[in-house]
Amino acid sequence: DSGVTQTPKHLITATGQRVTLRCSPRSGDLSVYWYQQSLDQGLQFLIQYYNGEERAKGNILERFSAQQFPDLHSELNLSSLELGDSALYFCASSFGTGGDGELFFGEGSRLTVL
Amino acid sequence: GENVEQHPSTLSVQEGDSAVIKCTYSDSASNYFPWYKQELGKGPQLIIDIRSNVGEKKDQRIAVTLNKTAKHFSLHITETQPEDSAVYFCAASKGNTGTASKLTFGTGTRLQVTL
Repeated sequence: DSGVTQTPKHLITATGQRVTLRCSPRSGDLSVYWYQQSLDQGLQFLIQYYNGEERAKGNILERFSAQQFPDLHSELNLSSLELGDSALYFCASSFGTGGDGELFFGEGSRLTVL
Repeated sequence: GENVEQHPSTLSVQEGDSAVIKCTYSDSASNYFPWYKQELGKGPQLIIDIRSNVGEKKDQRIAVTLNKTAKHFSLHITETQPEDSAVYFCAASKGNTGTASKLTFGTGTRLQVTL
């Protein structure tokens, strides 16, 4: 158990809809990262928050947005969903801000867009 | 930005044999290279990492080597066991340079250890 909690584990929705994925980081971790893993694809970095502030942005679509709340949990909002958005979405956390330490991953939220 | 290539995409070995997974990176400023293991239905988990001031690091049956000149690094698993079967990801980053430094992952290697 990594200590990172993601909900929901599975989500099925239709094209054009909007969903929200939630992540609670490990106790004490200040950074939250979101990654997308499509079939046979690696982990694509979407966005990082550190202590409530956006820290780094990757290949995140404009239809997607995220935030980190004062209690450090984070939400990833996906809107105007398309079939190609079907993927596993992982949240990870770390104590620091940089990329030179261990990331602790949750078990992911599997999104299926029909 | 950084680009990490990983080979092979699938690897099948017999129990007890060794497995080698190779990665190359493009940004010579990258200085941190972790390896993550993802078991079925779970999130990736760090198994070993290496920094650019070290050429090799070992942890029991796992070792990682780094060649900064050639910009490639490799994961070596010896005496493979069935529980080593998983998807392995390499990654690279510029570490904590004071600015946002994200990990760039390779596309993964599916390792199958057969009896």
